Amino acid sequence: EIVLTQSPGTLSLSPGERATLSCRASQTISGSYLAWYQQKPGQAPRLLIYAVSSRATGIPDRFSGSGSGTDFTLTISRLDPEDFAVYFCQQYGSLSTFGQGTRLEI
Amino acid sequence: QVQLQESGPGLVKASETLSLTCDVSGYSISSGFYWGWIRQPPGKGLEWIGNIYHSGTTYYNPSLKSRVTISVDTYRNQFSLNLRSVTAADAAVYFCARSRYFDWLASGHMDVWGRGTTVTVSS
Repeated sequence: EIVLTQSPGTLSLSPGERATLSCRASQTISGSYLAWYQQKPGQAPRLLIYAVSSRATGIPDRFSGSGSGTDFTLTISRLDPEDFAVYFCQQYGSLSTFGQGTRLEI
Repeated sequence: QVQLQESGPGLVKASETLSLTCDVSGYSISSGFYWGWIRQPPGKGLEWIGNIYHSGTTYYNPSLKSRVTISVDTYRNQFSLNLRSVTAADAAVYFCARSRYFDWLASGHMDVWGRGTTVTVSS
């Protein structure tokens, strides 16, 4: 099983700042099969990024993904107040697993 | 617009079987994609349970495989989850979701989600 470890557990920033979230895999994820999701309280996760760096439909371009192998990053270039939420990474190159999440707080 | 809606008992007795259904509207299950289940215990992260393709091919999380069955009903355009011998550890919000299909993979990225249904396990 591929274990995904996200860091930091909590990230405290202000609107307008840049956020960098990390997702590290216990083994190489083949084929760029990594996605990122945003979840707000009481809601289902929302797909942000798939295939490491492709934005899902309707996702603002302040969200970007990068990385390869075992190290992946979600960057939010300028935080909007609506961006404060929990973020999860998911790999789907070997069955599927999720990271434990990063809480982005104001 | 594709929509998914979970339904089923919100309370299950320990040692019994949890059964949930996901109704799909706005898209035919037979047209493609994986259809699957994910759960989230209170205050915790997401756990992938498994996926099914309209052909009936299934993939499961190895940690749950011995207790899980996912099935599909293409005529009713719905799919279902059965989780046997539940314990308190199975209490969670259960989501159904659509995943991109790759014929060489067990899952894809999940682009449409249901709102989730809370399942409590009683002793």
